[in-house]
Amino acid sequence: DAGVIQSPRHEVTEMGQEVTLRCKPISGHDYLFWYRQTMMRGLELLIYFNNNVPIDDSGMPEDRFSAKMPNASFSTLKIQPSEPRDSAVYFCASSVWRGYYEQYFGPGTRLTVT
Amino acid sequence: AQSVTQLGSHVSVSEGALVLLRCNYSSSVPPYLFWYVQYPNQGLQLLLKYTSAATLVKGINGFEAEFKKSETSFHLTKPSAHMSDAAEYFCAVKGRDDKIIFGKGTRLHILP
Repeated sequence: DAGVIQSPRHEVTEMGQEVTLRCKPISGHDYLFWYRQTMMRGLELLIYFNNNVPIDDSGMPEDRFSAKMPNASFSTLKIQPSEPRDSAVYFCASSVWRGYYEQYFGPGTRLTVT
Repeated sequence: AQSVTQLGSHVSVSEGALVLLRCNYSSSVPPYLFWYVQYPNQGLQLLLKYTSAATLVKGINGFEAEFKKSETSFHLTKPSAHMSDAAEYFCAVKGRDDKIIFGKGTRLHILP
C-alpha cells in the first residue's frame, strides 16, 4: 500500500483565495482525521470522519473551514477565504479502530498564506 | 480530563549515548499511551503504544517505554543514540472521547 497520500505538498496563496487540500486514505480504513500543526499551537484535531460521515468537527476553527469525504478513498479540506493565520502544516490521518485509533499520517501539506 | 506533559522541548544527546525523553500523563481511567516520531517534512509515525498489557513496551528502531502508574510517567528510552534518531517525538494519550491527545513535542538532537 502506498500509505496516505496528500496533495499538494506545498501551497502558497494570497490572502482571500480559496485553498483546497486533498487526502487519499489507506484502503480499508474507515476513519479519517484532519489535523493542523503550528509552532504555537502544536497538533490540533480539526475534524474526523467515520465511514465518510463527519463525526466531530468541533476543532474546525471557523466557518471559513469546511471538510468533505464524498467516498471512502477521498477527502478534502477547504479554506475560503484564506488568511495569513491559516499558515500551517495540515495532516490527514487514516485510521482503524483497535480499542484506540491506530492512525497513519500522510506527509502533510505545508500551507503559506501571504 | 486526560492530558500529557512532555518535559523539555529540546533534548541533545551524543551519538551512542542514552536517549531519555520524558512524558507524564494525567488520566482518570487506565490510560492508553503512545509515542509518535516525526522526521523532518514527514507525518507522525507510531513508535510504540501502551494498552494496559506489559508495562515495558518495545517499539520500532530500538526504542522502548515503561509505564509507571505510581509516577504517572511513560518515558521513552533508547540505549544508544544514532544520528538517524534526530526527529521530533510526541507523547500522546487516548482521551475520554477516544480522540488522541498529543503533547507539545520534544525535538531530539544528536551530537556527533
